[in-house]
Amino acid sequence: KQEVTQIPAALSVPEGENLVLNCSFTDSAIYNLQWFRQDPGKGLTSLLLIQSSQREQTSGRLNASLDKSSGRSTLYIAASQPGDSATYLCAVSNRGSTLGRLYFGRGTQLTVWP
Amino acid sequence: DAGVTQSPTHLIKTRGQQVTLRCSPKSGHDTVSWYQQALGQGPQFIFQYYEEEERQRGNFPDRFSGHQFPNYSSELNVNALLLGDSALYLCASSLALAGGSAHEQYFGPGTRLTVT
Repeated sequence: KQEVTQIPAALSVPEGENLVLNCSFTDSAIYNLQWFRQDPGKGLTSLLLIQSSQREQTSGRLNASLDKSSGRSTLYIAASQPGDSATYLCAVSNRGSTLGRLYFGRGTQLTVWP
Repeated sequence: DAGVTQSPTHLIKTRGQQVTLRCSPKSGHDTVSWYQQALGQGPQFIFQYYEEEERQRGNFPDRFSGHQFPNYSSELNVNALLLGDSALYLCASSLALAGGSAHEQYFGPGTRLTVT
C-alpha cells in the first residue's frame, strides 16, 4: 500500500524567503506525482505534475523535483509572498490496477508573513 | 472552459439521513473520482467511475455509492449518515488515455457536509 508523508507539517516564514517542502512515498512504482495547493475550506489547485520518467518540472517561482528510486519529491518555492500562504499537498498515482487513484500526504501548512 | 463543478457548496444533514452530491467534470474528461477530506487530513480516495462503471474503490463502506451518467457527470450518495461522515467531499476529473497528461487530476471546489 502506498503511503505518502510530508515534512514539515507547518512552516511560518517572512516574505522573500526561498522554501523547500518535502514529500516521501513508500512504493516507487509510481505513474506520476502531483503537487496541489489548497486554500482554507476550498478545493485543490494543481500546481505541478511530474511523470515518473521526469526529474523535475517548473512553473514560475515553483520547481518540483522527483527522485523515484529514493521515493522523494521536493517542492521549491522561490521568493515567497504572503499570497503563497496555503496548504500544499503532495499526491502520487501508482502504476497497475490502481492507476488514476491518488494517494495524498497530510500536507504542509505554509504561512508567509509580510 | 468550465472546470470541475460541484453542488451543493454546503449541506447540513441529520444522523441517519441520506445525501446526494453532484459533480460535473472538466470539459473533455471522461473519468470522475471522489475523495473525502476530514479536517486537517489529506483527501482519502472513495471510488472512481469510468464508462459509467465503478472501476476502483477505496476503503469505504457500502453506505457510499455512486453513479456516472452518459455525459460523464457523477453523483455520490451516502446512506445512513454518521457524525464521522462530516467532511469536505471533493470530486476530481481526468482523462484516461495514454500519454503525458493522462490521469492528471483536476479538482472541484468541494461540498462541505456537516452531519449533526
